[in-house]
Amino acid sequence: EIVMTQFPATLSVSPGEGATLSCRASHNISRSLAWYQQKPGQAPRLLMYGASTRATGIPPRFSGSGSGTDFTLTISSLQSEDFAVYFCQHYNNWPPWTFGQGTKVEIK
Amino acid sequence: QLQQWGAGLLKPSGTLSLTCTVYGGSFSGYQWNWLRQSPGKGLEWIGEINHAGSTNSNPSLKNRITLSVDTSRNQFSLNMTSVTAADTAMYYCARGPISPYDYIGGTYRLAVPYYFDFWGQGTLVTVSS
Repeated sequence: EIVMTQFPATLSVSPGEGATLSCRASHNISRSLAWYQQKPGQAPRLLMYGASTRATGIPPRFSGSGSGTDFTLTISSLQSEDFAVYFCQHYNNWPPWTFGQGTKVEIK
Repeated sequence: QLQQWGAGLLKPSGTLSLTCTVYGGSFSGYQWNWLRQSPGKGLEWIGEINHAGSTNSNPSLKNRITLSVDTSRNQFSLNMTSVTAADTAMYYCARGPISPYDYIGGTYRLAVPYYFDFWGQGTLVTVSS
């Protein structure tokens, strides 16, 4: 099973500032990575797949990069609606698909 | 849209039963998934089923779960036996991709990105005596 590790656990950011979230896979997963955003009381929402392809309706201030074992989600200028928890998920080769523990982006 | 329901309070050793109905769009071809989320274990993929009834499940849960599908009602279901407090979590149904696996060289391989693009509203399941 591939273990996904996210860091930091919590990121304190002021509105308008940028944020960089990291995700590391225990094995090479090429670019088989998705990112999700989750707000309290809601299901996760797909942001990104293929490490850098934005899902439908996701604004361009969200960008993803990385391949192999190290990945990054960048939010260029945080809006109020972006304060949430973010998860990465691998889909390399065969299930089980696994998720990172999440990074909480909170208002500084 | 995915709408799910099932019992929210179970006793230890009981059976968890959840059903998810798919409204709008196509049911056939997609992979339909169950996931759960708890404070201690985070997001965990439970298993998948397609319209033909083919399944894959998480090895950590495989012996306790049954996935089923009712194409006449655009529904899929999860049964989990012998629940314990460790199974207390928010359970979600979610849509995966269309026909994601190719059979090449005698084995199945993932051929498309596997992400979850539509989710149910979640069902909080608590296991307590």
